[in-house]
Amino acid sequence: GESVGLHLPTLSVQEGDNSIINCAYSNSASDYFIWYKQESGKGPQFIIDIRSNMDKRQGQRVTVLLNKTVKHLSLQIAATQPGDSAVYFCAENGPGGATNKLIFGTGTLLAVQP
Amino acid sequence: DTEVTQTPKHLVMGMTNKKSLKCEQHMGHRAMYWYKQKAKKPPELMFVYSYEKLSINESVPSRFSPECPNSSLLNLHLHALQPEDSALYLCASSQEGLAGNYEQYFGPGTRLTVT
Repeated sequence: GESVGLHLPTLSVQEGDNSIINCAYSNSASDYFIWYKQESGKGPQFIIDIRSNMDKRQGQRVTVLLNKTVKHLSLQIAATQPGDSAVYFCAENGPGGATNKLIFGTGTLLAVQP
Repeated sequence: DTEVTQTPKHLVMGMTNKKSLKCEQHMGHRAMYWYKQKAKKPPELMFVYSYEKLSINESVPSRFSPECPNSSLLNLHLHALQPEDSALYLCASSQEGLAGNYEQYFGPGTRLTVT
C-alpha cells in the first residue's frame, strides 16, 4: 500500500516467520533497483540490489524478486529476527537508466513480534 | 573502510545563522550525494557530485549551497534557513562509471533543527 500523511504502511510478523515487503515502481525504463533498511536514528543501509536483466537475486536470508511486466519489486526475508525491525525502502534509478539518481518508494515499517 | 561519516550529528541553528554540514568517505567513490529526509518519509535527493563537479541540482533553494573540495569530502553550507528545513540530512557516496548504477552508501545523517 501507499503511505498517507505521516502513516507508514506497516507489516507485523512473528519472530521466525518469513516476511515479504512489496514495492510498486513507477518508471518502466528503470533498470536498477535497490532495497535499503533504515533503523531509527540511522542512515539507510544497503541490503540487496538487482538489475533489470534478472528476475531474482538472493543474498544472506534475503531474496529480491523483480516483475517488470507489472513493475513490481519484492523483498523476502527468511526467518525474520527482532533485529530486522526497521523501515524498508525500495529505490529505482532515475529516468534514462544510466544515472546516479535514485528515486525512493514510500517505505514499509517492519515490526517483528518476539 | 566502507563508512561514510557525517558531522555534526545534531545541529540547532537560528534562521539568521550560517552553518555547514560535512561528509567524508575513503572508499575511492567519485560520486557523492546530499539527501533530505523528513520524518516517516523517504530520502529526497538534493545534489549529486560526480568527479567533484555538480551534476544534479534538484531545484534546491539557494539557501543550501553544496561544495566538493576534493574526492573524499562533501560540504553543505546553510544560510538563512526556514523552520521547514528542519530534517535529517543524509550524505551518500557510490562508484561512478558508465557501466551502470552502483549501490549508494549512506552516512548516519545530521539532524538539523531550525528555530
